[in-house]
Amino acid sequence: GAVVSQHPSWVICKSGTSVKIECRSLDFQATTMFWYRQFPKQSLMLMATSNEGSKATYEQGVEKDKFLINHASLTLSTLTVTSAHPEDSSFYICSVTGGVNQPQHFGDGTRLSIL
Amino acid sequence: GENVEQHPSTLSVQEGDSAVIKCTYSDSASNYFPWYKQELGKRPQLIIDIRSNVGEKKDQRIAVTLNKTAKHFSLHITETQPEDSAVYFCAASPSGGSNYKLTFGKGTLLTVNP
Repeated sequence: GAVVSQHPSWVICKSGTSVKIECRSLDFQATTMFWYRQFPKQSLMLMATSNEGSKATYEQGVEKDKFLINHASLTLSTLTVTSAHPEDSSFYICSVTGGVNQPQHFGDGTRLSIL
Repeated sequence: GENVEQHPSTLSVQEGDSAVIKCTYSDSASNYFPWYKQELGKRPQLIIDIRSNVGEKKDQRIAVTLNKTAKHFSLHITETQPEDSAVYFCAASPSGGSNYKLTFGKGTLLTVNP
């Protein structure tokens, strides 16, 4: 399956800080990447679909101005959590897919803790 | 949109027994159904998937069955081992176009007791 690198793996920062998370597809060009959020003992909730060269598509209830997504190349998508607050603390995971009805392969995730 | 229900939420079995996890979906247009295994603090890993033109798929101790008429699919793990202990998620993907989104079930915590 696809090799997906996500960085950083763990972030602790103060409330009000903006945090950028990178997701890289290492072995193929991904026109589409996904960003999920997972709270403890819960399922993966899709936040947005990241499309190379165009605006991301956000799921209902996800604030696009708070969770900025940039997919400037076929191998890199970034998620920036702007002005993070304690309630934004969560496990953020990206995934890449080879296309419709193809598997999604996940990065290792980023554990974000806002103090 | 798609809604995926997964049962049970927790499952405890003895080593060597079989484990079955069931999911139902709501969107009849869904035609791709993957299963993921997630160990604590780690990434979800694809363990098996099935497409709607197939009723059953098997990979060693793992099998998945799909009933499109009833809109449900199941994961079967035989001869369970302690290393099978993890959270398992089912998912469904509506067909077509650029919509590759997956909708996940709430997960099943499987515990295999030695």
